[in-house]
Amino acid sequence: GQSLEQPSEVTAVEGAIVQINCTYQTSGFYGLSWYQQHDGGAPTFLSYNGLDGLEETGRFSSFLSRSDSYGYLLLQELQMKDSASYFCAVRDSWGKLQFGAGTQVVVTP
Amino acid sequence: ETGVTQTPRHLVMGMTNKKSLKCEQHLGHNAMYWYKQSAKKPLELMFVYNFKEQTENNSVPSRFSPECPNSSHLFLHLHTLQPEDSALYLCASSQGGAGLTGPDTQYFGPGTRLTVL
Repeated sequence: GQSLEQPSEVTAVEGAIVQINCTYQTSGFYGLSWYQQHDGGAPTFLSYNGLDGLEETGRFSSFLSRSDSYGYLLLQELQMKDSASYFCAVRDSWGKLQFGAGTQVVVTP
Repeated sequence: ETGVTQTPRHLVMGMTNKKSLKCEQHLGHNAMYWYKQSAKKPLELMFVYNFKEQTENNSVPSRFSPECPNSSHLFLHLHTLQPEDSALYLCASSQGGAGLTGPDTQYFGPGTRLTVL
């Protein structure tokens, strides 16, 4: 089976940097994705790591270490609009996507 | 605009009612999904369809019945639901198919907020 662990909530001020960690256990790992969901909205794709290392997309970066079964999402120069839930999701070798419980990021002025 | 629409956006039903949720994707994708999202819980995958064929049924109770008449439309038929079935039901689509590389990004609809009385 699969399991994913991520913190339930993180609070930070505008302009700060936030790192959301995700550890996973899976029988067949293919890649790690990150999705963002604002209150009342639909989850939207942010980033994907299929190989070890860092992927950068503007203010957001995602990192993967397959040997450690670990990844993180880095949010830089936090803005109020970044207040949302962030989900890590593991794609297994059969294409199935399993989501973590989500991390609520609260950005304060 | 995500390209995935869902109707209705809100639904209140009694335990003896029968209702259906509808999802439509305009992205030319081959795979469609139903998820259940309850407060403080992970997104729970319910059903997966690839090229109109059901490829995943994640031990979902039979009071939930999916239907996929074509690659663009997905329905979730509901009957004799329980109050614990109250949740946000999300539909998603992706390119799908076999042998794909990369994330096979899923595009989500806005969801149907279901309340079972």
